[in-house]
Amino acid sequence: EDQVTQSPEALRLQEGESSSLNCSYTVSGLRGLFWYRQDPGKGPEFLFTLYSAGEEKEKERLKATLTKKESFLHITAPKPEDSATYLCAVQNQAGTALIFGKGTTLSVSS
Amino acid sequence: DTAVSQTPKYLVTQMGNDKSIKCEQNLGHDTMYWYKQDSKKFLKIMFSYNNKELIINETVPNRFSPKSPDKAHLNLHINSLELGDSAVYFCASSQESRRQETQYFGPGTRLLVL
Repeated sequence: EDQVTQSPEALRLQEGESSSLNCSYTVSGLRGLFWYRQDPGKGPEFLFTLYSAGEEKEKERLKATLTKKESFLHITAPKPEDSATYLCAVQNQAGTALIFGKGTTLSVSS
Repeated sequence: DTAVSQTPKYLVTQMGNDKSIKCEQNLGHDTMYWYKQDSKKFLKIMFSYNNKELIINETVPNRFSPKSPDKAHLNLHINSLELGDSAVYFCASSQESRRQETQYFGPGTRLLVL
């Protein structure tokens, strides 16, 4: 069964303190791995798509990487506005639905 | 411009009632989805439509019935609402083509069944 596990569940950082979020997955043929950001009371906002091991993508203070078993979302010098829940999802070769992890809730304090 | 919109944003209703949630996308996408996010914030697929045709129907009670009048709209009708239906329902859309399958989500409909 396809599965996505995110860790940690919650992460508290000081402003400027870099860290990484982990997304481990098992999937029957990876079609794509997706990172979303979700703010309280809002819908998930698309961040990145990764398709193959070794691929990396960056956006401002965020960088996503992918291996055959996991993905990391690296946050460099975070700011309070980076506080949100970060969701990882995979799409397998068979279907179009996204299979989500339970998310990592990031809190960045100044 | 709103890409994926849902109405209503909030819905409070009594057990046993029937209610509908509407979703519209102006992205020109041909695939639309309904997801349910439970109290633990876990997002799970319910249905998917491609060009008005149902392509995914997860294990969801048959009290839930999606309807797609055209490829820009996907509505969700729920009969005989139960307490356990309380959740946030998200609509999403994507373009069904190779490497263009990013799903874009609406703002959600918060359903509370009393």
